[in-house]
Amino acid sequence: EVQLVESGGGLVQPGGSLRLSCVASGFTLSSYWMHWVRQDPGKGLVWVSRIYKDVRSTSYVDSVKGRFTISRDDARNTLYLQMNSLRVDDTAVYYCARETHWAPDYWGQGTLVTVSS
Amino acid sequence: DVVMTQSPLSLPVTLGQPASISCRSSQSPAYSDGNTYLSWFQQRPGQSPRRLIYEVSHRDSGVPDRFSGSGSGTDFTLKISRVEAEDVGVYYCMQGTHWPWTFGPGTKVEIK
Repeated sequence: EVQLVESGGGLVQPGGSLRLSCVASGFTLSSYWMHWVRQDPGKGLVWVSRIYKDVRSTSYVDSVKGRFTISRDDARNTLYLQMNSLRVDDTAVYYCARETHWAPDYWGQGTLVTVSS
Repeated sequence: DVVMTQSPLSLPVTLGQPASISCRSSQSPAYSDGNTYLSWFQQRPGQSPRRLIYEVSHRDSGVPDRFSGSGSGTDFTLKISRVEAEDVGVYYCMQGTHWPWTFGPGTKVEIK
């Protein structure tokens, strides 16, 4: 059974950092594009970042470029999102997701990031 | 970025009756490989999104056949043939052809 389990969310002050993790099971992480998608409280879905084989195969939404870094550890079957210089508008539930057919097929349960002073 | 719009944004439905949600993209999600990367997602209250449909009309494994997708060009539709209580939630369309991926604002389906 495919499972994605995120962790690492929490309350952080503006300008602070967090590192999200997503442990995958039931499939081999290295064989898939993996993504982070966020959902603002009570609002819609926004794609944040993606990664394929290595850091050369990464993309980011403009609003997080230069602040967020996506990475993966295929030996640990784990996806990461390092978030620096966090802003109030980064507050959201962050989901990791696996891609097939150019869309997320499996999603994690999400981890809440709250940026507030 | 490609803008995805949905209508209606709120859809009260009667149990056992059909429901239809429209999705329009500002650019066609058709790709040069012949596929159209338009997907639909269901998000039940308190849950993560779940993909129902990919490439316009292909149902994901385990998705009831009362859900169907159709459309072409820039106009797409998700239909529920007979709404059940478990279908309550928010439905999103998404295009995966143009970067970045973009989602519609969501349509909230509730029981009358």
